[in-house]
Amino acid sequence: GDSVTQMEGPVTLSEEAFLTINCTYTATGYPSLFWYVQYPGEGLQLLLKATKADDKGSNKGFEATYRKETTSFHLEKGSVQVSDSAVYFCALSASSGGSYIPTFGRGTSLIVHP
Amino acid sequence: NAGVTQTPKFQVLKTGQSMTLQCAQDMNHEYMSWYRQDPGMGLRLIHYSVGAGITDQGEVPNGYNVSRSTTEDFPLRLLSAAPSQTSVYFCASRGQQTYEQYFGPGTRLTVT
Repeated sequence: GDSVTQMEGPVTLSEEAFLTINCTYTATGYPSLFWYVQYPGEGLQLLLKATKADDKGSNKGFEATYRKETTSFHLEKGSVQVSDSAVYFCALSASSGGSYIPTFGRGTSLIVHP
Repeated sequence: NAGVTQTPKFQVLKTGQSMTLQCAQDMNHEYMSWYRQDPGMGLRLIHYSVGAGITDQGEVPNGYNVSRSTTEDFPLRLLSAAPSQTSVYFCASRGQQTYEQYFGPGTRLTVT
């Protein structure tokens, strides 16, 4: 079945540091890929997405590129802020066949210190 | 446009009590889901629905019931609460044409 593996946290960085959170996936067909963010005490919200190979999703300074050859969708940001402290979830949804139900990674906690 | 709303935000139950967690969306989405979130476990799917009158089980359905009488509402019922059901519960919805999900703010449930 489909699966998503993301790096375990917490990831602890100083403000303005470079961020990478790794995400790899296993899926049948051609999934759409997502990053969701969960701020403390809130529900998940979509951060960015990519629907086909080599697409780059971007939002709020975050980027991720859909790499079919390495089945990866790593999240990056050039300069993190304290306000980026949150839990980040990588997810996929099948775009053809299979179930509509998305598959989530376990989440990676990011802590940014001033 | 309120998106996905959940009530209550917090709830404390005693073992054996029953209750209903409410979820509503105003986006005319066909698909709705319930998840629970526990430390170190990520999100686990409890039940989902692909439209009014149609529901199915997810990964961890035991101890929970759902129904979908309208497109807007998707309540989750705990039949006889157990301490193992202490968790944060999220409702989510998505439209038919996209795969991105919209989440509610969550209900934090404690069973003593």
